Amino acid sequence: QMQLQESGPGLVKPSGTLSLTCAVSGSSISSTSWWSWVRQPPGKGLEWIGQIYQSGITSYNPSLKSRVTISVDKSKNQFSLKLTSMTAADTAVYYCARWGVTTQFDSWGQGTLVTVSS
Amino acid sequence: EIVMTQSPATLSVSPGERATVSCRASQSVSSNLAWYQQKPGQAPRLLIYGASTRATDIPARFSGSGSGTEFTLTISSLQSEDFAVYYCQQYNNWPPHTFGQGTKLEIK
Repeated sequence: QMQLQESGPGLVKPSGTLSLTCAVSGSSISSTSWWSWVRQPPGKGLEWIGQIYQSGITSYNPSLKSRVTISVDKSKNQFSLKLTSMTAADTAVYYCARWGVTTQFDSWGQGTLVTVSS
Repeated sequence: EIVMTQSPATLSVSPGERATVSCRASQSVSSNLAWYQQKPGQAPRLLIYGASTRATDIPARFSGSGSGTEFTLTISSLQSEDFAVYYCQQYNNWPPHTFGQGTKLEIK
């Protein structure tokens, strides 16, 4: 059974850069899936950040595109998120997830809370 | 960007009764609509994709219907474990994937 696990700092300073990694187990990241990041501010709804295909093709939310980079490391079976110029509005639980063209976001990590504060 | 609007924001239903959640798209998304369930402190869980296809291991009491701009999630007989927040998501026109704002299903 596939599992996804986010890791990274829980606290980021304003104007700083968030770096998160999602380790995938039980499935190859080279499979025919996209690998995604979704976030959820405390008490609010879900916002798609972006996703990457195993070939390296990326797709980003236009509202975040200027600040987001998603990359994949096939040798470690993991993918990563970088979000620059962080503000308090970026405080959220960040989830990694698998996206299938047919099956959508069918597997999720447990999520990691990232707080932006000095 | 396609805007997804759910109603109601909160739904109070008694166990054993039927619950219906609505989702409207700002433009047609064909049948490219998914539903998720989220419990406190947990990640979302895929329930329905293709507007009406249940995901793996999802009980038959969950059903989805609709196409175009109007969609419905129905839970035929509410169990205690069904009280949660439900989200719809369109994938007809992306980027971006867009979610509804959520419907909280609470015990009456």
